[in-house]
Amino acid sequence: AQTVTQSQPEMSVQEAETVTLSCTYDTSENNYYLFWYKQPPSRQMILVIRQEAYKQQNATENRFSVNFQKAAKSFSLKISDSQLGDTAMYFCAFMNYNTDKLIFGTGTRLQVFP
Amino acid sequence: GAVVSQHPSWVICKSGTSVKIECRSLDFQATTMFWYRQFPKQSLMLMATSNEGSKATYEQGVEKDKFLINHASLTLSTLTVTSAHPEDSSFYICSARGLGGGSVTGELFFGEGSRLTVL
Repeated sequence: AQTVTQSQPEMSVQEAETVTLSCTYDTSENNYYLFWYKQPPSRQMILVIRQEAYKQQNATENRFSVNFQKAAKSFSLKISDSQLGDTAMYFCAFMNYNTDKLIFGTGTRLQVFP
Repeated sequence: GAVVSQHPSWVICKSGTSVKIECRSLDFQATTMFWYRQFPKQSLMLMATSNEGSKATYEQGVEKDKFLINHASLTLSTLTVTSAHPEDSSFYICSARGLGGGSVTGELFFGEGSRLTVL
């Protein structure tokens, strides 16, 4: 069975600074997707960034980028130029290529300070 | 992007009653919807996969008679918590995959969630 581990329950960063959230996962599959979702206080889950396992190039979406290390089964999220609106819970998630079942990590609560 | 809406957003009920939560895809047809449960300050746990026109597939440890799921149309799935008890109080979230879309891109669309409080 696949598992997703987020070892940082809480993180904080000052506005405009950079922060990295860690995520590791365990799977025997070779084809899969990895995601970072943001859950603000409104509780609406928002997709931040997605990575296909077969792609070696790290995904980037504006201020958000990942460091995907397939051999190490590591998938960290880097947020550059942090903004107050980035304050939220961040969940790392795994999806097997052949299913749409998302397996979530325990989440990291990020607080951005002015 | 695609919109998934849940109703009600918050419901309070007495112990022993049943509560129905709706999940609708507003601008696309969803062949598959997923129901998650989230306890305070915890992660989302998949409860079941709802396929249009067929029985839901429940995850291990989820009582199918307790959490009834119906996916009668391509835009609506419902979760009914039967004979609710205080321990069923939680945040319930649905997500949906579109026809030929979500599984290709790997993206699911989430509803806003429904908070259930059982007194």
